[in-house]
Amino acid sequence: QVQLVQAGGGVVQPGGGQRLSCVASGFNFLTYGPHWVRQAPGKGLEWVAFLSSDGTTEFYADSVKGRFTISRGTSSDTVYLNMNNLRTDDTAVYFCATLISPDVWGQGTTVAVS
Amino acid sequence: DIQMTQSPSTLSASVGDTVTITCRASQNINRWLAWYQQKPGHVPRLLIYQTSTFEPGVPSRFSGRGSETEFTLTISSLQPNDFATYYCQQYQDYPWTFGQGTRVEI
Repeated sequence: QVQLVQAGGGVVQPGGGQRLSCVASGFNFLTYGPHWVRQAPGKGLEWVAFLSSDGTTEFYADSVKGRFTISRGTSSDTVYLNMNNLRTDDTAVYFCATLISPDVWGQGTTVAVS
Repeated sequence: DIQMTQSPSTLSASVGDTVTITCRASQNINRWLAWYQQKPGHVPRLLIYQTSTFEPGVPSRFSGRGSETEFTLTISSLQPNDFATYYCQQYQDYPWTFGQGTRVEI
């Protein structure tokens, strides 16, 4: 079964850090160039970060650049989002996803900065 | 960064109606545009990519058109299951950006 399973998240104080993980099964997630997307409470979708399939190129939203890092695990099925210097406006549900086609999303994990 | 602007923000409609959502890009994105549907408490679902290409399983009552800076998503014969929020997203350049969303309500 093709799926992405997320872990991590929770409540963190401003200035703190969190690491989110995203584990793929049933397909090679890294081949598609994984993305992170977030959604603040009651708000729209915000693209956050991308990692190229070969792991050499990263892109970030301006709002997280310099604070967040997307990375891959030692196995080919895990992607991480390391978040540092968290702010209250980083509070959101975070999704890992392939975006575009094929369309595969993690279940989402909540990060609350308070 | 490329800004994506959707209109309207909210759209009231009835079952059986045909509705159109517009998405405008702040610069030419060629046809690198996707549309997503999201229902409350659910993960977004890709409907259309590259302006008009259906993701497998998407009903044919959805259609996408456009080029360069102006794009539309049309839903023909609106069904009860179509009441949701719709987002456009450009993938011409990083950072990828979403529109603010259009809520289709009864």
